[in-house]
Amino acid sequence: ETGVTQTPRHLVMGMTNKKSLKCEQHLGHNAMYWYKQSAKKPLELMFVYSLEERVENNSVPSRFSPECPNSSHLFLHLHTLQPEDSALYLCASSPRGASGGRGTGELFFGEGSRLTVL
Amino acid sequence: SQQGEEDPQALSIQEGENATMNCSYKTSINNLQWYRQNSGRGLVHLILIRSNEREKHSGRLRVTLDTSKKSSSLLITASRAADTASYFCATVNQAGTALIFGKGTTLSVSS
Repeated sequence: ETGVTQTPRHLVMGMTNKKSLKCEQHLGHNAMYWYKQSAKKPLELMFVYSLEERVENNSVPSRFSPECPNSSHLFLHLHTLQPEDSALYLCASSPRGASGGRGTGELFFGEGSRLTVL
Repeated sequence: SQQGEEDPQALSIQEGENATMNCSYKTSINNLQWYRQNSGRGLVHLILIRSNEREKHSGRLRVTLDTSKKSSSLLITASRAADTASYFCATVNQAGTALIFGKGTTLSVSS
């Protein structure tokens, strides 16, 4: 139990569906992250939020839309996905804000949401 | 862009043996971190070594850092079947906003 909870753990969706992934951290951290993990590829950084402000969008297609309503919650809204978007989506948080070139310390990961796009 | 590269990609050993994984990176760092991932699960932080440190221990884990060679190694001593997992090194991206991970080393420990 890392204090970062992701729901749902598994999601199957068609290419025309709209769904959302949810991440909640109970650690009082200031930064939250979305990573994508596909088979045989390194973890890909998608989005970074620091104190609820998006500080990084790593050239992610617009069919992925993040939302950070407060420092404890992070969503990833999914719309018109492609089969190649099937992957494990990992949320993480870190204690300090992730901006200003200060770097990051330890990241705390959730268990991931396994997404399958048919 | 990918910062860390682990080597080997896969490693199979017997229980009780030591496992050594290596990581090379490209740019200057403040710290380097190692994470573990059980199949289909989230990553778990193992150890962080700062750029001014050369070696760090945590239980059966030993991490070394050579900034002149831009490399780090993770040694797991007296391995157990429960150590079977993927291991990743990570460094901070150039913007200083997030960690960048390598492809990882998949370790299999058989009893």
